[in-house]
Amino acid sequence: KAGVTQTPRYLIKTRGQQVTLSCSPISGHRSVSWYQQTPGQGLQFLFEYFSETQRNKGNFPGRFSGRQFSNSRSEMNVSTLELGDSALYLCASSLQTGGGYEQYFGPGTRLTVT
Amino acid sequence: GESVGLHLPTLSVQEGDNSIINCAYSNSASDYFIWYKQESGKGPQFIIDIRSNMDKRQGQRVTVLLNKTVKHLSLQIAATQPGDSAVYFCAEDSSGSARQLTFGSGTQLTVLP
Repeated sequence: KAGVTQTPRYLIKTRGQQVTLSCSPISGHRSVSWYQQTPGQGLQFLFEYFSETQRNKGNFPGRFSGRQFSNSRSEMNVSTLELGDSALYLCASSLQTGGGYEQYFGPGTRLTVT
Repeated sequence: GESVGLHLPTLSVQEGDNSIINCAYSNSASDYFIWYKQESGKGPQFIIDIRSNMDKRQGQRVTVLLNKTVKHLSLQIAATQPGDSAVYFCAEDSSGSARQLTFGSGTQLTVLP
């Protein structure tokens, strides 16, 4: 079974631009979460989608947004990029189970803002 | 705000020895905890999880211990191998049905030959 895939793997943007990152979850997984990873702040939760609905959102400004499509693929968008948005953006998918769950992470998209 | 933190940023162990990585959490409402391993250039990889109604869970070469009294989580790796060298994160979930994890700052484990 294929793992979580993220595209693109690397991206360089200029301040003020916007960017869209894509995530394809493992087949059958309906929950997709996004995280930002930086050396200073570590791994921080951005938002989580399930069945095309955002169920939870972390403490990030409104410049960060996302969506999920009917095939569970998800995109996140960052508008008006700032230097501090440079980070590894990770997507994780999981099954919706009643008990514990395993989140499977993709390799991430490395975003550099200059 | 409440957060998950790690006691030690780095840990070096001899190949074949056991490793213990510690984690302190502060959110008493958290009911689910996970350990992840992250190798350079890769996303975090699930290792083992534990629910708050348990105090110990074992996997292949790994054991997670949960002490809710002192809000402490540990990961024990038996017979540590060079391939275990990575950054290890603990994470907690207090969000209920949603998948929102709060991660610790990570511990760099280095296995010495």
